[in-house]
Amino acid sequence: AQTVTQSQPEMSVQEAETVTLSCTYDTSESDYYLFWYKQPPSRQMILVIRQEAYKQQNATENRFSVNFQKAAKSFSLKISDSQLGDAAMYFCAYRSADFNKFYFGSGTKLNVKP
Amino acid sequence: NAGVMQNPRHLVRRRGQEARLRCSPMKGHSHVYWYRQLPEEGLKFMVYLQKENIIDESGMPKERFSAEFPKEGPSILRIQQVVRGDSAAYFCASSWDRGHTEAFFGQGTRLTVV
Repeated sequence: AQTVTQSQPEMSVQEAETVTLSCTYDTSESDYYLFWYKQPPSRQMILVIRQEAYKQQNATENRFSVNFQKAAKSFSLKISDSQLGDAAMYFCAYRSADFNKFYFGSGTKLNVKP
Repeated sequence: NAGVMQNPRHLVRRRGQEARLRCSPMKGHSHVYWYRQLPEEGLKFMVYLQKENIIDESGMPKERFSAEFPKEGPSILRIQQVVRGDSAAYFCASSWDRGHTEAFFGQGTRLTVV
């Protein structure tokens, strides 16, 4: 079975600084998707960024970028120019190519200090 | 196009009662997924349904839990004879097809068993 590990339960970053959240996963599949979701106190799961495993180029969405290392099964999220609104739980998730069954990590709580 | 709608947002049940959680997928979506989030944890897959069919229920507890997605109306996650350990946030996601397109999450139902 696929497993997703987030080893940082909580992290803090100063406003305007850069922070990197770590994620590793285990799978025997060659085709899959990886995601980072943000969950604020409202509980809404907000998609931050998505990476297809067959793409070598790292995904980027504005201030959010990933470092995808397929051989190492590592998928870290970098948040640049951190803003107060970035404070939330961040979940790394794995999804098989064939259907929308997600495997989530345990989450990293990100605090942003003004 | 409204997003995935879950209701109620909050549900309180006494031990031994039944809980019914409803999920209306996005318009045009015929695939629904249920996830459970225990406190301080990530979301865990429970069941995947397509209209009138259960496709994958590998994450569903063997007893007391059932799910349906009828031809007309919302998907229902039903928990009979609730116990304190059922207290969690239950999320529904929907997609247009099995896995080629994105899944969208609802805001979840927080079930509290007293």
